[in-house]
Amino acid sequence: KAGVTQTPRYLIKTRGQQVTLSCSPISGHRSVSWYQQTPGQGLQFLFEYFSETQRNKGNFPGRFSGRQFSNSRSEMNVSTLELGDSALYLCASKGLAASYEQYFGPGTRLTVT
Amino acid sequence: KNQVEQSPQSLIILEGKNCTLQCNYTVSPFSNLRWYKQDTGRGPVSLTIMTFSENTKSNGRYTATLDADTKQSSLHITASQLSDSASYICVVSASPGGSYIPTFGRGTSLIVHP
Repeated sequence: KAGVTQTPRYLIKTRGQQVTLSCSPISGHRSVSWYQQTPGQGLQFLFEYFSETQRNKGNFPGRFSGRQFSNSRSEMNVSTLELGDSALYLCASKGLAASYEQYFGPGTRLTVT
Repeated sequence: KNQVEQSPQSLIILEGKNCTLQCNYTVSPFSNLRWYKQDTGRGPVSLTIMTFSENTKSNGRYTATLDADTKQSSLHITASQLSDSASYICVVSASPGGSYIPTFGRGTSLIVHP
């Protein structure tokens, strides 16, 4: 069974630009969560999508948004990039059978210059 | 405000030795507590998950404990190996209204020397 995949793995953007990151969950998983990881703040929860609906949302500004498609693939968008948005963005998928177990992808390393 | 504090921030031990990592939390209402291992440049991998009614959970050489009264958890690693060198992250999830919001600790960086 293939794991969670994220594309691209590395990305360099300029301040003010926008970026879209993609996450493909494990086959059969309908829940996808997004996280931001920085050396200063550690891991922080961005949002969770389930069956194309945002189910939970962390404490991030509206520049961070996401969506989920009918095949459970998810995208995360960050508009008007700031230097502080440089981080490792992780997504994780979760199935229904093991209600709390989630599986992380390798992450997308975003650098904003 | 929900918080998760981990200690120590970093730890260096010799291969074969045991070690214990600590996690204190103030998360309410409590849903579950998870320990993750994160190797450099990789996503976290789940080690254990515990709900309110569980006070011990093992996964090979990893044993997690939970004291819901004092809101403390520990992760004990037995007979450490070089491959145990990683960041260990404690995550506590609240459950308002049936959904869950995870709060992460900053992690403990463990280095195992030969």
